[in-house]
Amino acid sequence: NAGVTQTPKFRVLKTGQSMTLLCAQDMNHEYMYWYRQDPGMGLRLIHYSVGEGTTAKGEVPDGYNVSRLKKQNFLLGLESAAPSQTSVYFCASSKELAGVSTQYFGPGTRLTVL
Amino acid sequence: RKEVEQDPGPFNVPEGATVAFNCTYSNSASQSFFWYRQDCRKEPKLLMSVYSSGNEDGRFTAQLNRASQYISLLIRDSKLSDSATYLCAVNTQYGNQFYFGTGTSLTVIP
Repeated sequence: NAGVTQTPKFRVLKTGQSMTLLCAQDMNHEYMYWYRQDPGMGLRLIHYSVGEGTTAKGEVPDGYNVSRLKKQNFLLGLESAAPSQTSVYFCASSKELAGVSTQYFGPGTRLTVL
Repeated sequence: RKEVEQDPGPFNVPEGATVAFNCTYSNSASQSFFWYRQDCRKEPKLLMSVYSSGNEDGRFTAQLNRASQYISLLIRDSKLSDSATYLCAVNTQYGNQFYFGTGTSLTVIP
């Protein structure tokens, strides 16, 4: 049981390049999330999904796209990377149990855009 | 106004001390509350959920005050290993979104 995994762990991009971050969870969770974490800003929600085939915008969605084609995977895409997207990206998943939802996080992806 | 606010600290306390963190939230419809621990360059990990009646897990006590819209975390008998950043989080059921505070940094000094 690996929990939540993220690929890659590190990446350096040049401005304008594109890339996809992969998140996978093996806990059969319905909900999945992408956050970015920057110093002094805390965790900010980019996009999230409440089930396979559904996605929704979070607090800071601009410049990102997502897809949830399979329940266990949630992909985050950067079409044209900008230096402002330099950040640590965390994926998380959750499942409601007895009216309470608890999030579990992946180990993060450190992205630098030059 | 931010959904969740917390004092960033840093808190520097000696071993054995008791330290408390508070976190306020703005949405009265928030339903679930959590404290997470985050070590440097690692992912947040759930420390404990916060229940209406308050709850305790060893040296850690969490409390919720719905009337004043804040949650608190009390750490007793601080250990060096408690040094980390503590994040509070609240959850509404609108798309099952979670909102996090910016985190409070704690350093326990020998």
